[in-house]
Amino acid sequence: QQKVQQSPESLTVSEGAMASLNCTFSDGTSNNFRWYRQHSAKGLEVLVSIFSDGEKEEGRFTAHLNRANLHVSLHIREPQPSDSAVYLCAVSMKGNYKYVFGAGTRLKVIA
Amino acid sequence: EAAVTQSPRNKVTVTGGNVTLSCRQTNSHNYMYWYRQDTGHGLRLIHYSYGAGNLQIGDVPDGYKATRTTQEDFFLLLELASPSQTSLYFCASSLGLGVNQDTQYFGPGTRLLVL
Repeated sequence: QQKVQQSPESLTVSEGAMASLNCTFSDGTSNNFRWYRQHSAKGLEVLVSIFSDGEKEEGRFTAHLNRANLHVSLHIREPQPSDSAVYLCAVSMKGNYKYVFGAGTRLKVIA
Repeated sequence: EAAVTQSPRNKVTVTGGNVTLSCRQTNSHNYMYWYRQDTGHGLRLIHYSYGAGNLQIGDVPDGYKATRTTQEDFFLLLELASPSQTSLYFCASSLGLGVNQDTQYFGPGTRLLVL
């Protein structure tokens, strides 16, 4: 059964510094990866989707996927206090309804 | 972007109580999902549906029923609520399962407390 683990559990960065979040998964046949952001007491907002090894950029958010290492990461360029939230990694197979979520990384951006 | 709404946003009930959580999506998506979110567990899938009248079992279905009455509306029913069902519940929808169709869009969540 797919296991998805995120690290670190929490991260504090200064405004403008790069923030890097990690996600490891156990099923090497997974091919559909998404990063979501969850502000307190609100729903999840999809940030970036990536389906093949390499990187995918959406504005200030860049995902890096290395399926051989069972690893996908999210890098946030020039983070702002409004980026303070919980970031969730979701892993699935293309054409499959089933997402497996990590427990999240709580990011705090200080001015 | 998909619009998914949930009601109520907060609910308190007692053990053994009857609770219905509602979800509506207005973007003609075929798939709808109910998740629960608990500290340390991420989101876990309870039930999902691929159309009106259809229901599929997720990963943590015990103690929950669901019903999809229309393409827009998906309900989660707790008929004998227990304290272990205290959680944050999310509804989500997606257009389909094909390429570029399977992104799930989430509602704002319902916080349920079972005393």
